[in-house]
Amino acid sequence: KQEVTQIPAALSVPEGENLVLNCSFTDSAIYNLQWFRQDPGKGLTSLLLIQSSQREQTSGRLNASLDKSSGRSTLYIAASQPGDSATYLCAVRRNDYKLSFGAGTTVTVRA
Amino acid sequence: DGGITQSPKYLFRKEGQNVTLSCEQNLNHDAMYWYRQDPGQGLRLIYYSQIVNDFQKGDIAEGYSVSREKKESFPLTVTSAQKNPTAFYLCASSHPVGGGEDTQYFGPGTRLTVL
Repeated sequence: KQEVTQIPAALSVPEGENLVLNCSFTDSAIYNLQWFRQDPGKGLTSLLLIQSSQREQTSGRLNASLDKSSGRSTLYIAASQPGDSATYLCAVRRNDYKLSFGAGTTVTVRA
Repeated sequence: DGGITQSPKYLFRKEGQNVTLSCEQNLNHDAMYWYRQDPGQGLRLIYYSQIVNDFQKGDIAEGYSVSREKKESFPLTVTSAQKNPTAFYLCASSHPVGGGEDTQYFGPGTRLTVL
């Protein structure tokens, strides 16, 4: 069974600091990995999707890396802003095509 | 304006009642999904459907039922057999898995509370 872990569960940083969010998974036989953002009481918004054959994906201030062999992905957010405050979830698509989610890291960026 | 809509936003249920949560999408996606989110836990898959008139159980299907009579609609019924239904329910859709672009798009969610 695929287990997805995100540590820490919560993170508070001053505005302008770079954010580093970690995601680990137990089974390296994955199809792809996706990072989502969730605002309180809202649905999920897809940020980045990395296929299993890729090492990283970038979108604006966001960069996500994938190391399948070690079962890890990292989401970097450069020059954080108060608007980046949200919960960030990673999800791994298994080879049976279902998604396994981590519990998320709740980020607070202080102005 | 394409997207996924869920209704109602808030739903209150008495013990022993069945309730149905609505999910509609106009993204022309074949695949649709229902997830449950509890505090401090990741999303868990309840049911999914890859095509009209077909659906499969996810990891926590007991106490739930679905139908997929139209491509755009995938309603979820929470039955009285579900022992702990209070949660945030999220619907999602995507292109068929394996087609390359299989990013899941999520609706705004329905918060169900049992009184």
